[in-house]
Amino acid sequence: KQEVTQIPAALSVPEGENLVLNCSFTDSAIYNLQWFRQDPGKGLTSLLLIQSSQREQTSGRLNASLDKSSGRSTLYIAASQPGDSATYLCAVGDSSYKLIFGSGTRLLVRP
Amino acid sequence: GAVVSQHPSRVICKSGTSVKIECRSLDFQATTMFWYRQFPKKSLMLMATSNEGSKATYEQGVEKDKFLINHASLTLSTLTVTSAHPEDSSFYICSAENRDRGVNTEAFFGQGTRLTVV
Repeated sequence: KQEVTQIPAALSVPEGENLVLNCSFTDSAIYNLQWFRQDPGKGLTSLLLIQSSQREQTSGRLNASLDKSSGRSTLYIAASQPGDSATYLCAVGDSSYKLIFGSGTRLLVRP
Repeated sequence: GAVVSQHPSRVICKSGTSVKIECRSLDFQATTMFWYRQFPKKSLMLMATSNEGSKATYEQGVEKDKFLINHASLTLSTLTVTSAHPEDSSFYICSAENRDRGVNTEAFFGQGTRLTVV
């Protein structure tokens, strides 16, 4: 059974810092991996989608990498801003074609 | 990205009544829709998968008679919580995908519905 773990559970950084969020999964038989952002009481906003054949994806200040063999993905946020404060969720598309979510990393960027 | 609209965003109902939540894909055809439940500070738990025109597939432990899912068109799926009880209070989120060309597609999520049963 696929399990997705996100570390750290919470992170507080000063504005301007570069930071890395980690996601690990137990079964490497995935078809894609997505990173999402969730603001309090809101739905999910898709940030980056990495197909299983890809190694990374970039969008603006965000860069996500995927290493299937080791079961890891990282989300790199450059030059963090207070507006980046949110919960970041990683989800893997598993062999049953469903998304399995991690429990998220709550990020606070202090002005 | 594509837009998925979920309605209502908040609902308070009395114990024993039923509540319907709608999930609409506004600018694409959603062949597949998913319904999730999220507890405070926890991750999303998949409740069921629905494909347009067919019966929903429920995850283990989810009562299909309590959580009725209908996906009658390519743009609309509904989740009805029947005979709601306080323990059904939660945040419900839907997502939609177009899998006509395969399963390697991006999932787009609604804004979520906060259900409170009193």
